[in-house]
Amino acid sequence: DAGVIQSPRHEVTEMGQEVTLRCKPISGHDYLFWYRQTMMRGLELLIYFNNNVPIDDSGMPEDRFSAKMPNASFSTLKIQPSEPRDSAVYFCASSLVGQSTDTQYFGPGTRLTVL
Amino acid sequence: QKEVEQNSGPLSVPEGAIASLNCTYSDRGSQSFFWYRQYSGKSPELIMSIYSNGDKEDGRFTAQLNKASQYVSLLIRDSQPSDSATYLCAVTRRNNRLAFGKGNQVVVIP
Repeated sequence: DAGVIQSPRHEVTEMGQEVTLRCKPISGHDYLFWYRQTMMRGLELLIYFNNNVPIDDSGMPEDRFSAKMPNASFSTLKIQPSEPRDSAVYFCASSLVGQSTDTQYFGPGTRLTVL
Repeated sequence: QKEVEQNSGPLSVPEGAIASLNCTYSDRGSQSFFWYRQYSGKSPELIMSIYSNGDKEDGRFTAQLNKASQYVSLLIRDSQPSDSATYLCAVTRRNNRLAFGKGNQVVVIP
């Protein structure tokens, strides 16, 4: 299995620009999570989906952030307009919920730098 | 109170010694508990999961869970330089939502 795939791996942009991060979960997994990690705040859950439906977006910092999951194999996290404080590593993770299979598997992350 | 707390600062241990990490959580309804390891510049990877009170051993790693006291611990026996990383405690809450602690950095000194 290829694992969770994220693109791009690195993104440098200027303040005010739109940023789109992409994620392909592990095939067959029914949960998808978007996290943000910074030194100050650690790993924070932004939003998660179950069977392509957003379940909890209470971690999305503000309206500049949006996420979609149009099908079981693809999700996007969009920031528009981007700000320097959005600089962080963004991780996507997926899981298959079951009695002992609720482990989340993380992608390699996208390191975002907003200048 | 934070959902998951890991209060210890960086932990330096000599090679071959035991590293001990602790974690407390606030939600008594939590059912699943995990330890993730994260190398610098890499993504978190699962090293241990535990679901019931007591100890669970996997190689050099032992996870301990005490639901009454709401804490989870991780022991790393015979610490190796390759164990140098940040260890994240995570607790599953409702709807499969994972809450993470901020992590503990472990440095194994050869």
